[in-house]
Amino acid sequence: KQEVTQIPAALSVPEGENLVLNCSFTDSAIYNLQWFRQDPGKGLTSLLLIQSSQREQTSGRLNASLDKSSGRSTLYIAASQPGDSATYLCAVMDTGRRALTFGSGTRLQVQP
Amino acid sequence: GAVVSQHPSRVICKSGTSVKIECRSLDFQATTMFWYRQFPKQSLMLMATSNEGSKATYEQGVEKDKFLINHASLTLSTLTVTSAHPEDSSFYICSATLRGRPGSAQYFGPGTRLLVL
Repeated sequence: KQEVTQIPAALSVPEGENLVLNCSFTDSAIYNLQWFRQDPGKGLTSLLLIQSSQREQTSGRLNASLDKSSGRSTLYIAASQPGDSATYLCAVMDTGRRALTFGSGTRLQVQP
Repeated sequence: GAVVSQHPSRVICKSGTSVKIECRSLDFQATTMFWYRQFPKQSLMLMATSNEGSKATYEQGVEKDKFLINHASLTLSTLTVTSAHPEDSSFYICSATLRGRPGSAQYFGPGTRLLVL
């Protein structure tokens, strides 16, 4: 059974810092990996999708990498801003089924 | 493109009543939709996979008679929480994948917050 772990569980940084969020998964047989953002009491916003054949994806200040063989992904946020404060969720789609398995999230607080 | 809507966004009901939540793919066809549940300060957990025209597949521990799922068309899936109780209070989110593209991204609805008194 796929298990997804995110470290750290919570992170507080001053504005302007570059930061890295970590995600690991136990079964490397995946279609893709997605990073989401969730604001308190709200739904999910998809940030980046990395297919299993890809190693990284970039969107603006965000860069996500994938090392499928080692079961790891990182989300890099450059020049963090208070508006980046949210919970970031990592989720993998297994080849065996198309539902997503989510990590428990990293709660990010960017201090102005 | 790839917009998923949910209705209602928030519902408060008395214990023992049934609540129906709708999930619609607005601009694409989705042969498969997924229903997730999120308790406070926890991550999303898959409840069931809904396939158009066939019975839903439920995850272990999810009561199929309590959480009725219907996927009657390629753009609509419904989740009915029957005889809701306070422990069913949660955030319910649906998602959909593009028809014919099993490895594609999942598109999520905005979620429905259910509070059972």
